[in-house]
Amino acid sequence: KAGVTQTPRYLIKTRGQQVTLSCSPISGHRSVSWYQQTPGQGLQFLFEYFSETQRNKGNFPGRFSGRQFSNSRSEMNVSTLELGDSALYLCASSLGGQLNTEAFFGQGTRLTVV
Amino acid sequence: AQTVTQSQPEMSVQEAETVTLSCTYDTSENNYYLFWYKQPPSRQMILVIRQEAYKQQNATENRFSVNFQKAAKSFSLKISDSQLGDTAMYFCAYFRNSGNTPLVFGKGTRLSVIA
Repeated sequence: KAGVTQTPRYLIKTRGQQVTLSCSPISGHRSVSWYQQTPGQGLQFLFEYFSETQRNKGNFPGRFSGRQFSNSRSEMNVSTLELGDSALYLCASSLGGQLNTEAFFGQGTRLTVV
Repeated sequence: AQTVTQSQPEMSVQEAETVTLSCTYDTSENNYYLFWYKQPPSRQMILVIRQEAYKQQNATENRFSVNFQKAAKSFSLKISDSQLGDTAMYFCAYFRNSGNTPLVFGKGTRLSVIA
């Protein structure tokens, strides 16, 4: 069974640009969550999608957005990049619903904003 | 809001020795799960062990075991016979199993296993 796949693994962008990250969950998983990981703040929750609907949202500005497709693959987009957006972005997939007791993570996308 | 606290930013242990990582959490819920995740340099977050709050028995997975003290809201991880491959960041996480809420993570403990 394939794991959670995140693409790309590394990205370098310039301030003001926008970026799109992709996450393919484990087959059969309907929930995809996104986290931002930085040395100072640790893992911070961005948002969660379940069956193409945003079910939860963390405390991030509107420049951070996401979506989920009918095959459960998810994308997150960051517009007008700032230096502080440099981070490891992790995606986690889970069954969702009342059976949502374990999350499986991808290897992350390392975003560097210069 | 639920919070998870890991008070040890860094720890080290000699190979083959035992080490305990601390975690405390704050919640008013009764139905929840607690997890320890490991993140090695490869960045892949790997589930180490899981504890259901309604279970009194402490979870164990081979060399990994937890000391779950529900009343004290404490959830420590014990690694026995430490191996070099255990070197990683360890994150404690909380999940409320009533409603659609995300995992809440502590800030992590960086563990170094020394030969």
